[in-house]
Amino acid sequence: EVQLVESGGGLVQPGGSLRLSCAASGFTVSSNYMSWVRQAPGKGLEWVSVIYSGGSTYYADSVKGRFTISRDNSKNTLYLQMNSLRAEDTAVYYCARDLPDSSGPGAFDYWGQGTLVTVSS
Amino acid sequence: QSVLTQPPSVSAAPGQKVTISCSGSSSNIGNNYVSWYQQLPGTAPKLLIYDNNKRPSGIPDRFSGSKSGTSATLGITGLQTGDEADYYCGTWDSSLSDVVFGGGTKLTVL
Repeated sequence: EVQLVESGGGLVQPGGSLRLSCAASGFTVSSNYMSWVRQAPGKGLEWVSVIYSGGSTYYADSVKGRFTISRDNSKNTLYLQMNSLRAEDTAVYYCARDLPDSSGPGAFDYWGQGTLVTVSS
Repeated sequence: QSVLTQPPSVSAAPGQKVTISCSGSSSNIGNNYVSWYQQLPGTAPKLLIYDNNKRPSGIPDRFSGSKSGTSATLGITGLQTGDEADYYCGTWDSSLSDVVFGGGTKLTVL
């Protein structure tokens, strides 16, 4: 059974850092496109970052230069290192897998339960 | 403001049909595949439709998707109270090199 379990969220001060983890089971992270998607309280979905199976990484302009996506193949885990956090980064962060059979990127077939990041002093 | 435009809310009676629109441009919907998601309160989004009109395993055929030009539509027939949720469209934007989403539509089953 495919499962994604996020952890690492919490309260952090503006300018601080946090690392989110997404432990996967039932499939191999390194063989798939994996993304982070966030949702601010009461707001819609916002794509944050993707890491392709080949290792290429891409970021939304809103987080470029501050966030880093990575994976640990030995742990089958996806990460999001978040630095220089701002109040507007406050959101539930989801990791999600791109559907392998889709014709294009952005069809996320499995999502984690989400982890809340609150940036506040 | 979201790159893709959805109506904030739609409503219909149980058993009826509803459609939710998603409008974009040639850089996103017009030249890429659209997905649709259902998000029940307090839960993660769930993929309903991908590649414009395909349903993942386990999604009932009450849910359908279509695309024409730079717009896409999600259709739901035989509405049930359990369908009350927020619905999002999403696609790749070739100009932004980002996945983009609509602002979401809240479905109320009266």
